[in-house]
Amino acid sequence: AQTVTQSQPEMSVQEAETVTLSCTYDTSENNYYLFWYKQPPSRQMILVIRQEAYKQQNATENRFSVNFQKAAKSFSLKISDSQLGDTAMYFCAFMRAYGGTSYGKLTFGQGTILTVHP
Amino acid sequence: DTEVTQTPKHLVMGMTNKKSLKCEQHMGHRAMYWYKQKAKKPPELMFVYSYEKLSINESVPSRFSPECPNSSLLNLHLHALQPEDSALYLCASSQEALVAQGTANEKLFFGSGTQLSVL
Repeated sequence: AQTVTQSQPEMSVQEAETVTLSCTYDTSENNYYLFWYKQPPSRQMILVIRQEAYKQQNATENRFSVNFQKAAKSFSLKISDSQLGDTAMYFCAFMRAYGGTSYGKLTFGQGTILTVHP
Repeated sequence: DTEVTQTPKHLVMGMTNKKSLKCEQHMGHRAMYWYKQKAKKPPELMFVYSYEKLSINESVPSRFSPECPNSSLLNLHLHALQPEDSALYLCASSQEALVAQGTANEKLFFGSGTQLSVL
């Protein structure tokens, strides 16, 4: 079974500054995906960024980037130039790849509430 | 159209009521999912449908009954619920359920959810 741990229940940052959210995971799988999802007050789960475990290069999406350390099983999210609209709950998530019983099952961490202050 | 639409947005029901949640997508996806999310907790998978057939039931009580009438529509029928079933119910879809490298099937698109309160 996979576990995902987010050790920061809450974080805050000033607008335009940079913040890093931490995530560690445990798995015996070699092929998998890692994700960061954002859930604003509207409650919709929005995919922020995804990383394929077989790729060494860290994923980036505009102001969002990850630091993926496969050996350490660490997957942190860096948000640059934070904006008020980034205020949300952020979930780190794991999904097995290569079929079997993965069937799109996401295993989520407990979440980090991020507040961006003006 | 990259939306997953869920109705209703809010639902209040008594423990003896029967109600249904509806989820619709028009992206041609062949996999659809129900997740349950309690307040301030992460979502947890309930059911997976692949090509309109139930593929995974994560040991969900029988008072929750999923149905997939066609590839675009997913229902969750509710009967004799308990107050502890109050939660946000999220629907999601993906191209297919089988996740393999290079398929993009790992991308789940979520709806905005139905906030359910059981009195």
